[in-house]
Amino acid sequence: GENVEQHPSTLSVQEGDSAVIKCTYSDSASNYFPWYKQELGKGPQLIIDIRSNVGEKKDQRIAVTLNKTAKHFSLHITETQPEDSAVYFCAASPKVTGGGNKLTFGTGTQLKVEL
Amino acid sequence: NAGVMQNPRHLVRRRGQEARLRCSPMKGHSHVYWYRQLPEEGLKFMVYLQKENIIDESGMPKERFSAEFPKEGPSILRIQQVVRGDSAAYFCASSPAASGNTGELFFGEGSRLTVL
Repeated sequence: GENVEQHPSTLSVQEGDSAVIKCTYSDSASNYFPWYKQELGKGPQLIIDIRSNVGEKKDQRIAVTLNKTAKHFSLHITETQPEDSAVYFCAASPKVTGGGNKLTFGTGTQLKVEL
Repeated sequence: NAGVMQNPRHLVRRRGQEARLRCSPMKGHSHVYWYRQLPEEGLKFMVYLQKENIIDESGMPKERFSAEFPKEGPSILRIQQVVRGDSAAYFCASSPAASGNTGELFFGEGSRLTVL
């Protein structure tokens, strides 16, 4: 099955700096790579995703890059703000029987944006 | 439009008791997924269901755990004879049928189980 590794486990940045979180995956059949943000006591929420037919996607201060050959993808947050502080999870998913999405998650990165 | 609804939000059980966690998917969603999150860890896939069918239960422990998604009513994750190691946050997610599926899973707020 799929195995997703995520680094770093904790990341502390100054407000206004950039933050980068990296993930690798093992299953070459995976074709969908979302990033979720989880605030304390809440469920994960999708912030951006990318499919294997594109190499980069951007949405305001958030961007994701994908290198299919190397099987790694990264999340980039620019101009970080205190409200960006949360746990971020990467995930990977192949097509599955029944048309659903069986996401395999990384172990998470605790991002802290300091004033 | 209500999101994924899970209840109870918090549940305390003694060892040996049963825990039942409920999940109502978003309106119009027919796929339900259950994930378990241990403290300081990521989310681990447990089971993927459609109405009246278990599609993939490869992440479910072989004993004591079961899940259902009946034709009417919420999906239920049932844990029998709970042990301390079952203490975790259990998240339910839903997605539309394949034709409307963008890939996104919509998560509920989770049910936090504590076994004393």
